[in-house]
Amino acid sequence: DIQMTQSPSSLSASIGATVTITCQASQDIGKYLSWYQQKPGSAPKLLIHGASNLEAGVPSRFSGSGSGTNFTFTISSLQPEDFATYYCQQYENLYTFGQGTQLEIK
Amino acid sequence: EVQLAESGGGLVQPGGSLRLSCVGSGFSISRSWMHWVRQVPGKGLTWVARVLSDGTTTNYADSVKGRFTISRDNAKNTVYLQMNTLRADDTAVYYCAREDIVLVPGSFAVWGQGTMATVSS
Repeated sequence: DIQMTQSPSSLSASIGATVTITCQASQDIGKYLSWYQQKPGSAPKLLIHGASNLEAGVPSRFSGSGSGTNFTFTISSLQPEDFATYYCQQYENLYTFGQGTQLEIK
Repeated sequence: EVQLAESGGGLVQPGGSLRLSCVGSGFSISRSWMHWVRQVPGKGLTWVARVLSDGTTTNYADSVKGRFTISRDNAKNTVYLQMNTLRADDTAVYYCAREDIVLVPGSFAVWGQGTMATVSS
C-alpha cells in the first residue's frame, strides 16, 4: 500500500500571506496526485489533479508541483474563504489520502 | 447541474448491516468509475471502495474487504454500498464520489453531501 505523509498537520497564517503544504509518498507515484479543500460540514472539493493541473473554476492563487515522491501545494495571497482543511491524494495504485492540513487564521 | 445524493445512513448495532445508496443527477454514471469515501467525524478521508464502468470490477480498502460490497445500477443511475458485519470503527460519514476517467482520471471531481452511519449498541 502507498502511504501519504502530509505536513504540517496544522498551520496559521494571515490574510494575504503565502502558505505551502507538502506531501510525501512512500513510493514513486509519478504525477498521480490530487489536492482537495474541505470546509466544515461540507464535502471535499477538487482543486488540483495531475500534481499541477488546476481544476476548472479554481482560482489561480492555488498551485501544485512535484513528481515522484515529493509534492508541494501553495496558496498565494490567502483569502478569507481559503481557511479550511487540505488533503493530498495519490491515485497511482488505488487511492490514499494524506492526513490533512488544517489552515487557520492568525 | 451534476450532483450526487447519498441516503441510507443511520444507527445500527455492531454486527448489523446497512445499505447506502447514491443517486446521480445531471449526468449518467454509466461511463464513470464510482467510489465511496468515508470520514470519521473530526478525522481525515479514507477511500473505501470503487466500481468500474463495467459494473463487475470492484476494489476495496483492506479494512472493509469481505464485509462491504459496492455495486451499481446504471438504469437507475445509482451506486450502492452494502455494509455487513459492521463494527464501531465503521462509524463515519460516507461520501459517494465520481471519477471521470476521461477528463480527470484518478481524481474525485464530484461528491455527494455524505450520509452518516453510526455503529453503536
